Formats: sequence, structure tokens, C-alpha cells
Amino acid sequence: DAGVIQSPRHEVTEMGQEVTLRCKPISGHDYLFWYRQTMMRGLELLIYFNNNVPIDDSGMPEDRFSAKMPNASFSTLKIQPSEPRDSAVYFCASSSTGGGSTDTQYFGPGTRLTVL
Amino acid sequence: QKEVEQNSGPLSVPEGAIASLNCTYSDRGSQSFFWYRQYSGKSPELIMSIYSNGDKEDGRFTAQLNKASQYVSLLIRDSQPSDSATYLCAVNKNTDKLIFGTGTRLQVFP
Repeated sequence: DAGVIQSPRHEVTEMGQEVTLRCKPISGHDYLFWYRQTMMRGLELLIYFNNNVPIDDSGMPEDRFSAKMPNASFSTLKIQPSEPRDSAVYFCASSSTGGGSTDTQYFGPGTRLTVL
Repeated sequence: QKEVEQNSGPLSVPEGAIASLNCTYSDRGSQSFFWYRQYSGKSPELIMSIYSNGDKEDGRFTAQLNKASQYVSLLIRDSQPSDSATYLCAVNKNTDKLIFGTGTRLQVFP
């Protein structure tokens, strides 16, 4: 299995631009999680999906952030417009059961976003 | 008060020693507890999970859980330089979500 795939691996953009991050979960996994990691705040859950349906988006910082999962093998996280404080590493993770189970959340390699 | 707290470190231990990493959590309803290891520039990977009070051993790793005191710890025996990483504690409150601590950076020196 190829594991969780994220693209791009690095993104540098200017303030005000739209940014789209992409994720392909492990085949057969029903749960998909989007996290953001910064030095100050650590690893924060932004939103998660179960069977392509958004279950909890309470971690999404503001309306500039949106996420979609049009099918079981693809999800996007969009930031529009981007701001310098959005600079972080964004991880996508998937699992075949929820985060509280005995199953493992498998993380993708992350996208390092820099907003100038 | 943060939901999951860890000392940021760095925790420096000599090769061959026992490294002890600690984590406290605020919600008494928390059910499941996890330790993730994250090498610099890499993604987190699960190394241990624990669900009931007591110790759970896996090779050189031992997770310890004390729900009454609301803490969970990770012991690494015979520490190796390759264990140098940031260790993230994660807690679940019987939902699908994990709440992560900010991590403790461990340095094992030869």
C-alpha cells in the first residue's frame, strides 16, 4: 500500500492567494482527518470525515478554511484568502475506524505551507 | 488549562539509559491514550496505545496509565540515538477525535 498521499509537499504563496491542499487516504479507510501543526500550538485537528461526510469541523479556524471529500479516495483543504499566520505543516491522516479505537491513524507526509 | 500537557523538553539522556516521558490530561472521561513518535521533518507514527490502568510493554517501550491521577507516561529502555525525536501524547474522549499534546523532544546522546 502506498500509504496516505499528500500534495504538494511544499507550497509557498503570497498573502491573499488561494491555496489548495490535496490528500488521498489509504484505500479502504473510512475516516479522514486534517491536522495543522505549528511550534506554538502543536498538532491541531481541523476537520474529519467519515464515509466522505464531514463529521466535526469545529477545529477549522475561520471561514477562510474549507474542506471537501467528493469521494472515498480524495479530499481537499482550501484556504482562501491565505494569510501569513496560516503558515504551518498540514497533515492528512486516515484510519479504518475512529480515533478512539484500537486502530491506527496513518499520517501522510504533510504539506509545508509558507504564506509570505 | 490545556487538555493534554507535556513538557516540551528537550529531555537529554545518555545512550543506554531509560528515558521517561510524561503527559497529563484534563478530562476524566478520557478513554484511550496514545504515544506517537515524530522525527524532525517527518509525520507522526503510532508507537504505543493504552486503554486501562497499569503498564503495557512492547519491546523497549512501556506505557503507563494512571486514570486517578490523570497521567500517562512512556518509558524507553536502553535508549538509542535513533530514539531521538519528538514524542506526542494523544488522548481520546470516547469520540472519533484525538487531542494531541505539543510533544516532548527527546535527545539521546552517545
